[in-house]
This record gives sequence, C-alpha cells and structure tokens, in this order.
Amino acid sequence: GESVGLHLPTLSVQEGDNSIINCAYSNSASDYFIWYKQESGKGPQFIIDIRSNMDKRQGQRVTVLLNKTVKHLSLQIAATQPGDSAVYFCAENMKSGGATNKLIFGTGTLLAVQP
Amino acid sequence: KAGVTQTPRYLIKTRGQQVTLSCSPISGHRSVSWYQQTPGQGLQFLFEYFSETQRNKGNFPGRFSGRQFSNSRSEMNVSTLELGDSALYLCASSSYGGGNYGYTFGSGTRLTVV
Repeated sequence: GESVGLHLPTLSVQEGDNSIINCAYSNSASDYFIWYKQESGKGPQFIIDIRSNMDKRQGQRVTVLLNKTVKHLSLQIAATQPGDSAVYFCAENMKSGGATNKLIFGTGTLLAVQP
Repeated sequence: KAGVTQTPRYLIKTRGQQVTLSCSPISGHRSVSWYQQTPGQGLQFLFEYFSETQRNKGNFPGRFSGRQFSNSRSEMNVSTLELGDSALYLCASSSYGGGNYGYTFGSGTRLTVV
C-alpha cells in the first residue's frame, strides 16, 4: 500500500500579499543557512542564504531572518506572485569534522498563491 | 555557464537489480553531494565527495555507494534495489564543499523500483 508521506505545512496567500515561511533548525553549531525553492519536477533552487554571524539578509523581494537564540529561520517574500508557488525548504549547513559539510533540510512548506 | 547535469532523468528498475546514476557538477566545482528525496522522509543526505574522496556519509545502508572521478563527475550506485529506494535522487555541486560557498542542485533522477 501507499506509505504515509510527510504532511507538508501549507501557506495559502493572495497574489500581492507578503508571505512569511518559518523554519526551526536543530543544530546550534550550524553556521550557514540556505532557503531553497522547489517546483514540481525540478531540483531545489537557491533563493537566499545567511551566515550565522548575521541576523538579517535581504535579496530581491526576499528577506531571511535568523534568530540563533531560538534556532529559528524565516523567509519573507514581498508582493507574492503566482510564480512563487512551490515548496520552500530551509537547510542548515552542519559541519561534520574538519572541512566537511552536509545540508540538513527541513520538511518544507508548500506556498500556494491565489490569483 | 552550464548547471549541474544529472542523467538519466527517469529510471524504472526491478527489485534486486542495481542502478548507477551520474552527476556532472558545474565546471570548476570540486565537491559533489548526493541526496535522496522521498515523500515519507523528505530530503536526506547520502554522501559527499571532494577530489575523488568520500568526505562525509549519511545514514544509509551499504547498498548505496558512490565515487568521484578526476574530472569531478560523480556516480552513485544502488545495489539490490528495494521498493523503498524509489525516490528522486539529487546531486548538488559546490566549489569547495558547501559551507559558506553554497550548493547548486541538479534536476534529479527519478528512480522507480517495481
């Protein structure tokens, strides 16, 4: 039979509104964080990143906020457009001895933009 | 500048068979990481290669293996396929090894085991 999949949280917004997607990360030692967007049938696409020595970074229509005290990341998308509809993942870069790294992904949030 | 290229895009295999997936990183990138994406488990790290050496490994059975060639291209192999291996396998390349340099993902290989 079918396996039970992850229940993706869904954020439904109206076109033109601002969107805020939240993420909790797990490792206090993680030093680098990335937000990815994944559309159906495609690999994750880089949106914006932030290093642990920062608490805010802005890009074009996107802002990432980092709160290390509570291990929380958020992605803000201004003036959300239908093309923003996708699954959004946060990822923390976890050092694993020396220079090696690996990304630990969150479960993802489905952003649905209503026209 | 070409992105990360994964081949093939789709594969259907039978239980018990083995499969080899290929990843060509962005030119100049020396690190290649592999991830498995399933509806049940999400995105999970498999392993990372840098300069032909496996530097990091996730929590997957020994049936999952990989290698990297001198031109940084990488392959991953799954032996004795199980139904649960059906997934999207993603490759990510990085100039040095992620960290503060970022990762670029390919479009993945969709593996279906029947």
